[in-house]
Amino acid sequence: GAGVSQSPSNKVTEKGKDVELRCDPISGHTALYWYRQSLGQGLEFLIYFQGNSAPDKSGLPSDRFSAERTGGSVSTLTIQRTQQEDSAVYLCASTSGPSYNEQFFGPGTRLTVL
Amino acid sequence: EDQVTQSPEALRLQEGESSSLNCSYTVSGLRGLFWYRQDPGKGPEFLFTLYSAGEEKEKERLKATLTKKESFLHITAPKPEDSATYLCAVLRISEGGSNYKLTFGKGTLLTVNP
Repeated sequence: GAGVSQSPSNKVTEKGKDVELRCDPISGHTALYWYRQSLGQGLEFLIYFQGNSAPDKSGLPSDRFSAERTGGSVSTLTIQRTQQEDSAVYLCASTSGPSYNEQFFGPGTRLTVL
Repeated sequence: EDQVTQSPEALRLQEGESSSLNCSYTVSGLRGLFWYRQDPGKGPEFLFTLYSAGEEKEKERLKATLTKKESFLHITAPKPEDSATYLCAVLRISEGGSNYKLTFGKGTLLTVNP
């Protein structure tokens, strides 16, 4: 079956522009996560959606970052007024239950802010 | 604050040369420790979950072990295709008790030369 997919695979934008990153989780997975991976750094948790519960936004680095998950499936991560320090690989993962189950990761979106 | 430290940062082995990767952690209320493999340009791929000290799991040439302070990923007679970045992550319940928090280390880059 299909795994987690993300689009675009690469995004180059100019400082100050807004960007939207998309994640399609595995069908039927109730939990969805966004992470950021910067060069030489570990994966940094951003936000977590579990079913119809309020999302855990505790990892979002600033109010320029937001995410939504429509219909319990597709998720969009939006970064407003991008800065050069936002350049990183943004990874999405999904699980079939709580986060103590293994997470299935997408290939990531590489964001470059010029 | 949760801390996950992986060592070494990079490891170069000859094919067939066994070794171990270390993941030491400081976390209150560990609920699980995960090992992932990440190939360049791809998202992490799940390997193991360990839940309690003394637990061991094996998969092909890999064996993961867990103590109260650290985990080891033992690689026996590695092959060039085992070259990848190996990530560990610790799972605990969040402060509110309603979510789980997964904190990743920065990874060990393993290169196996033929």
